[in-house]
Amino acid sequence: AQSVTQLDSHVSVSEGTPVLLRCNYSSSYSPSLFWYVQHPNKGLQLLLKYTSAATLVKGINGFEAEFKKSETSFHLTKPSAHMSDAAEYFCVVSGHGSGNTGKLIFGQGTTLQVKP
Amino acid sequence: GAVVSQHPSRVICKSGTSVKIECRSLDFQATTMFWYRQFPKQSLMLMATSNEGSKATYEQGVEKDKFLINHASLTLSTLTVTSAHPEDSSFYICSARDPDWYQETQYFGPGTRLLVL
Repeated sequence: AQSVTQLDSHVSVSEGTPVLLRCNYSSSYSPSLFWYVQHPNKGLQLLLKYTSAATLVKGINGFEAEFKKSETSFHLTKPSAHMSDAAEYFCVVSGHGSGNTGKLIFGQGTTLQVKP
Repeated sequence: GAVVSQHPSRVICKSGTSVKIECRSLDFQATTMFWYRQFPKQSLMLMATSNEGSKATYEQGVEKDKFLINHASLTLSTLTVTSAHPEDSSFYICSARDPDWYQETQYFGPGTRLLVL
């Protein structure tokens, strides 16, 4: 079975400083991995996705993530935080087998706070 | 591209009434859509997978007679909460799967806030 663990429930950074949101995954298949962002009372927006091509994936709004198979990690980074980045972030892995094919497996989410 | 809409965005209803939520893929055809429920400060919980032209597949613990799903066209899926009660109050989000099956990406609607009084 696939699973995702977001290592921090809450991350607080100052505007202009780097952002690191950590995610570890578990999958016996070659996974597809995603990061989604959710602003308050909104739906989810796709930031970026990894689908077995380049291990460093660039997304929207200056975010990027690196797939590290040896560490089973897919951490999300941004060089300089902006106030508008404050939101909930979800790390997601694609499901395979055991009734999970075609589904997305969500992490518990990380709340990013950006201080002025 | 890949825009998904939901209607209504917010709904308040009395206990015992039924509420219908629509999910539309605006610029692509979606043979598969998904319905999620999200409680405050929590992650998304998959309720059911909606396949065009066939019956929905419900996750364990989700009452199919309570949450009726219809996916009658390639761009529209509906979720009807029947005989709603206050415990059904939640944020309901739909998604549509990328038409390129191998992409596995889901595009999400903006959500519907349901409050049952």
